[in-house]
Amino acid sequence: GENVEQHPSTLSVQEGDSAVIKCTYSDSASNYFPWYKQELGKRPQLIIDIRSNVGEKKDQRIAVTLNKTAKHFSLHITETQPEDSAVYFCAANSGGYQKVTFGTGTKLQVIP
Amino acid sequence: SQTIHQWPATLVQPVGSPLSLECTVEGTSNPNLYWYRQAAGRGLQLLFYSVGIGQISSEVPQNLSASRPQDRQFILSSKKLLLSDSGFYLCAWRRAGRETQYFGPGTRLLVL
Repeated sequence: GENVEQHPSTLSVQEGDSAVIKCTYSDSASNYFPWYKQELGKRPQLIIDIRSNVGEKKDQRIAVTLNKTAKHFSLHITETQPEDSAVYFCAANSGGYQKVTFGTGTKLQVIP
Repeated sequence: SQTIHQWPATLVQPVGSPLSLECTVEGTSNPNLYWYRQAAGRGLQLLFYSVGIGQISSEVPQNLSASRPQDRQFILSSKKLLLSDSGFYLCAWRRAGRETQYFGPGTRLLVL
């Protein structure tokens, strides 16, 4: 089955700096890679996703890149703000595309 | 638009007691439905998923079970709770044929 690894597990940045979270996946058949943000005590919310026919996608301060050959994808947050502080999960679809496998999460702390 | 509900929002149960958590989705037909568990400070563990009424796939063998008695209703049950069953239980749905999963507000379960 699919295995998704995520690094780092914790990340502290100064407000205004950039943050990068990296994930690798094992199943070359995976073709959909969402990123979720989970604030403390809340449900995970989709923030951006990318499909395997695209190498990069950007939405304001958030961007995701995908390298299919190396089987890794990354989340980039620029000009970080305190409200970006949360746990971020990457994921890849698997199981005949009926489910997604999540990474272990990255706790991002943006220091004002 | 689509809405997902979970209840109860919080639950405190003694060890050995039964459990029933409910999830319902509004505004869509034949959704794929998912149950996840998140232990405190941990990642998202897929427990069960369903692609249709009466169709349940189990990801992790344990003392939990799931049922889908109606198209937009997904129930998580246990006959006897263990201390290790404590956690944040999240239901998620996705439109059949689409990739993105959307999470419900979750049920916080504490087993004492």
